[in-house]
Amino acid sequence: DARVTQTPRHKVTEMGQEVTMRCQPILGHNTVFWYRQTMMQGLELLAYFRNRAPLDDSGMPKDRFSAEMPDATLATLKIQPSEPRDSAVYFCASGLVVGGGSYEQYFGPGTRLTVT
Amino acid sequence: QKEVEQNSGPLSVPEGAIASLNCTYSDRGSQSFFWYRQYSGKSPELIMFIYSNGDKEDGRFTAQLNKASQYVSLLIRDSQPSDSATYLCAVRPGGYQKVTFGIGTKLQVIP
Repeated sequence: DARVTQTPRHKVTEMGQEVTMRCQPILGHNTVFWYRQTMMQGLELLAYFRNRAPLDDSGMPKDRFSAEMPDATLATLKIQPSEPRDSAVYFCASGLVVGGGSYEQYFGPGTRLTVT
Repeated sequence: QKEVEQNSGPLSVPEGAIASLNCTYSDRGSQSFFWYRQYSGKSPELIMFIYSNGDKEDGRFTAQLNKASQYVSLLIRDSQPSDSATYLCAVRPGGYQKVTFGIGTKLQVIP
C-alpha cells in the first residue's frame, strides 16, 4: 500500500529554534509539494518540486523557510528561526506528472507544528 | 477576490438527503478541478476530479463543472453521517502550474 510518509508527526518547539520536517514521497512519483494548513488561511502551497528540481517556492517566506530534495526519496522543509506564527499543520504530497496532463496528489499524514 | 472560493459552512443536512457543495474560481484558463475530503485531524484525500463541462458520477458522488460560469460543485446523494468532513475544492490551470485550494466547506450530516 503505497503512501506518503512524513516525520515527525508532531513537533513542539520554542521560538527561534530550527525545525526540520521530512517527507518520503510515493516511489515513482516525480512531483512533490509542501503545503501549510491553518484554520484562517486553509491549505497554502509553500513549494513544489518536479524531478527534484524546485519549480515554485513563491508561497514560502524565503528569509526563514527552505525546501530541498536531496534525493528522489526524501524532501525536507526547514524553518530557521521558527516563530509562533509558523504554528500549523504541514503536509507533503506527491504525484506523477506525465507530459502536460493532469495528475492526482496524494497527501501524507502531516506534521503538526507548535511554536511557543 | 480569492482564486478559489468556497463557503466555509457548516452545511448541515439530514441523513439520506442530498448535500450540495459549491465552488467558484477566478482563472478562466483553469482546466482541472478536484474535490478532496478531509476528516478532522486527517490529511486531504481525493474523491473526485473533473476536466470537462457537465457531470461526472462516481457512486453517491457527482461533480458538476460549468466553465462558462466558472463554477464547480459536488453533490453527495443519500448523505451518511460518515460523510461529515470538510470538502476542499482545488483548481489547476493547464500545464505545470500549481493547484490552488479553497478554504473548504464543513459538512455535517445529522442522523
